Amino acid sequence: DAGVIQSPRHEVTEMGQEVTLRCKPISGHNSLFWYRQTMMRGLELLIYFNNNVPIDDSGMPEDRFSAKMPNASFSTLKIQPSEPRDSAVYFCASALDRGRKKQYFGPGTRLTVT
Amino acid sequence: QKEVEQDPGPLSVPEGAIVSLNCTYSNSAFQYFMWYRQYSRKGPELLMYTYSSGNKEDGRFTAQVDKSSKYISLFIRDSQPSDSATYLCAMSANTGNQFYFGTGTSLTVIP
Repeated sequence: DAGVIQSPRHEVTEMGQEVTLRCKPISGHNSLFWYRQTMMRGLELLIYFNNNVPIDDSGMPEDRFSAKMPNASFSTLKIQPSEPRDSAVYFCASALDRGRKKQYFGPGTRLTVT
Repeated sequence: QKEVEQDPGPLSVPEGAIVSLNCTYSNSAFQYFMWYRQYSRKGPELLMYTYSSGNKEDGRFTAQVDKSSKYISLFIRDSQPSDSATYLCAMSANTGNQFYFGTGTSLTVIP
């Protein structure tokens, strides 16, 4: 199993630009989570999907952030427009709904907004 | 008060030492307790998973949950330099998918 796949691994962009992060969950998993990790705040849940449907997006910091899951094997997290305070590592994790207490993380995307 | 409290360390021990990592929590609804290991510039990796109270052992790792004290621990026996990483505790209730993570404890095992 390839595990959770995220792309790109690193992204450097200028303030005001649109950023799109991508995630492919583990095949067969039907829950998907987006997290943000910073030194100051640790791991924060941004949004999670169950069977491609957004269940809880209360962690999305602002309207500049949006996430989609058009099918069971792909999700995107978009930031538009990006700001320097969005700089962080963004992780995607997936889980089986019936065993959803075990989340498996991807390698993360390190985002730097200058 | 945060849902989960974890001492960030850093913690530095000699190879072969027994390491004790701890988290406290405030929500009595938590039933699922996890420990994740995160190497530098990598994603968190699920290390131990426990439901409700008690102990769970896996090789050199032992996870303990004391729900009466709202306290969980991870013990690493015969620590190795390859154990050097950040360890995050995580908890969840029966309902919902929300995980509550500690901020992580940075561990260095010195050869």
